Amino acid sequence: SQKIEQNSEALNIQEGKTATLTCNYTNYSPAYLQWYRQDPGRGPVFLLLIRENEKEKRKERLKVTFDTTLKQSLFHITASQPADSATYLCAPIEAGDKIIFGKGTRLHILP
Amino acid sequence: DTAVSQTPKYLVTQMGNDKSIKCEQNLGHDTMYWYKQDSKKFLKIMFSYNNKELIINETVPNRFSPKSPDKAHLNLHINSLELGDSAVYFCASSQGPSGAAYEQYFGPGTRLTVT
Repeated sequence: SQKIEQNSEALNIQEGKTATLTCNYTNYSPAYLQWYRQDPGRGPVFLLLIRENEKEKRKERLKVTFDTTLKQSLFHITASQPADSATYLCAPIEAGDKIIFGKGTRLHILP
Repeated sequence: DTAVSQTPKYLVTQMGNDKSIKCEQNLGHDTMYWYKQDSKKFLKIMFSYNNKELIINETVPNRFSPKSPDKAHLNLHINSLELGDSAVYFCASSQGPSGAAYEQYFGPGTRLTVT
């Protein structure tokens, strides 16, 4: 069955450093992969989408990579700030299929 | 302007009751969804409608019945509520169907507590 694994524990990063979150998937051939941010008590908010033929995507301080050979996506936040503290969800999507979310990684940026 | 709105935000009810959650989106999107997020924060799709037509129906007890009166609205009715139904329910919408490169916009969630 399809399986998505994200950093299982919370991630603590010092302010100003780069935070790197991992998303691994198995039994999947996603055509797209999305990343969302979720704050406590709120719905997820879309951040970035990367396609299978793209190695890397950037948006301001965010960078996503997508390695279909390793079956992995990495999500980077550079120059991290306390306001970046949230849960980050990855969602690989097979073409024509429903979106399935990973359990998410809780990120804490320490001042 | 709120893009995806849900009512109510909190719902506390007793086992066996029937309740409804309403969702509206003003984005002009064709596709709407219901998700359940349990206590372990796992977000799982329940239903998806595209242009008022049901296209995704996950393994959900038939006590849950979605209804889409028009493209902008997707309501969720739950019969005979059980303790295990306690969760946060999110409505979402996207411009096109799931399985394509469309981002989803989520509502604020409805926290359902069954006692």
